[in-house]
Amino acid sequence: AQSVTQLGSHVSVSEGALVLLRCNYSSSVPPYLFWYVQYPNQGLQLLLKYTSAATLVKGINGFEAEFKKSETSFHLTKPSAHMSDAAEYFCAVSDQGANNLFFGTGTRLTVIP
Amino acid sequence: EAGVAQSPRYKIIEKRQSVAFWCNPISGHATLYWYQQILGQGPKLLIQFQNNGVVDDSQLPKDRFSAERLKGVDSTLKIQPAKLEDSAVYLCASSPTPSIGTNEKLFFGSGTQLSVL
Repeated sequence: AQSVTQLGSHVSVSEGALVLLRCNYSSSVPPYLFWYVQYPNQGLQLLLKYTSAATLVKGINGFEAEFKKSETSFHLTKPSAHMSDAAEYFCAVSDQGANNLFFGTGTRLTVIP
Repeated sequence: EAGVAQSPRYKIIEKRQSVAFWCNPISGHATLYWYQQILGQGPKLLIQFQNNGVVDDSQLPKDRFSAERLKGVDSTLKIQPAKLEDSAVYLCASSPTPSIGTNEKLFFGSGTQLSVL
């Protein structure tokens, strides 16, 4: 069965600092991996996804993530945090061709001015 | 383009009462999902429709939850009777394709926040 583990339910960074949100996955077959962002009172929005092409995936708003099979990881990074990045971030996994996403428990990012 | 519309935005009910949520997906999207997001957890799939047929309802508590998608467009999710543990945000999502393929993109609504007292 597929699952993801997000390490750290809350992460705080200073404005301009590196953002690193951790995600480890478990899947018996090559997975598709996703990062979603949820702003207050809004629905989830896709940031980026890995679908077995390039292992370094670039997304919207300057975020990127690297698929590392040896570490079963798909960590999300951004070189310089902006106040507008404050939100909840969810990692998700799916089997290729499957019909469902399995979400992690989320990481709330706080950006300190 | 218009997004996924959900109503109501908030709902407060007492336990054992019934409640219904409504979702209008993006025009032309054949696939519709209902997710339950309990505070502190990630969204969990309740049911998936392809047009007006059910693809997956394995996680739907069928003794109290029901959902329908008449005419393959709008959908309603009902809880009867509600329990305290049903307090959550109920998210609707739609997609033009039924599977999480290379071109997949789920569009989520803002959700309905349910509080059961």
